Amino acid sequence: EVQLVESGGGLVQPGGSLRLSCVASGFTFNKYAMRWVRQTPGKGLEWVSDISSSGDATYYADSVRGRLTISRDNSKDTLYLQMNALRAEDTAIYYCAKGSPGTIDDWGQGALVIVSS
Amino acid sequence: DVVMTQSPLSLPVTLGQPASISCRSSQSLKHSDGNTYLNWFQQRPGQSPRRLIYKVSNRDSGVPDRFSGSGSGTDFTLKISRVEAEDVAVYYCMQGLQWPRTFGQGTKVEIK
Repeated sequence: EVQLVESGGGLVQPGGSLRLSCVASGFTFNKYAMRWVRQTPGKGLEWVSDISSSGDATYYADSVRGRLTISRDNSKDTLYLQMNALRAEDTAIYYCAKGSPGTIDDWGQGALVIVSS
Repeated sequence: DVVMTQSPLSLPVTLGQPASISCRSSQSLKHSDGNTYLNWFQQRPGQSPRRLIYKVSNRDSGVPDRFSGSGSGTDFTLKISRVEAEDVAVYYCMQGLQWPRTFGQGTKVEIK
């Protein structure tokens, strides 16, 4: 069974930083692209970032490029999202997701990030 | 960016009756590899999303056969043949053809 467990969410002040982690199990982590998708409370889904299976290729939404950085450690089966220069509009539930070409196979339970003073 | 437009945004349905959700993309989702990268996700209240359908019409294992996906090019449909109480959720389409990946606004299915 695929399991994706996020951690690292919390309350942070505007301009602050946070790092989300996602530990994966139940599949061969280094063979799959991984994704971050966020959801503003009470609203829809927004794709944030993708990373290739090897970590060589990364992709970002315009709204986060230059502030959020996706990375992975295949030796630890772990995905990361380093979040810098956070803004109020980054407040959301952040989902870690396992990807196959053109799709999202599985989702984590989500990590809540609140950006507020 | 590919814009995904769902309709309706709210869908009250009587138990046992069919339901249909439309998703339109601003450009064709057919890839040069021959696949069309249109997905459907279900998000029940208080839960994470889960995939129901990928590549237009391929149902995930464990998804009841009352769910079906169809369409091509820019027009796609998710159908529920007979709505059950457990189908109360928000349904999202998502294109996986190009970056940035984009989702529809979501359609809330509720029981009348």
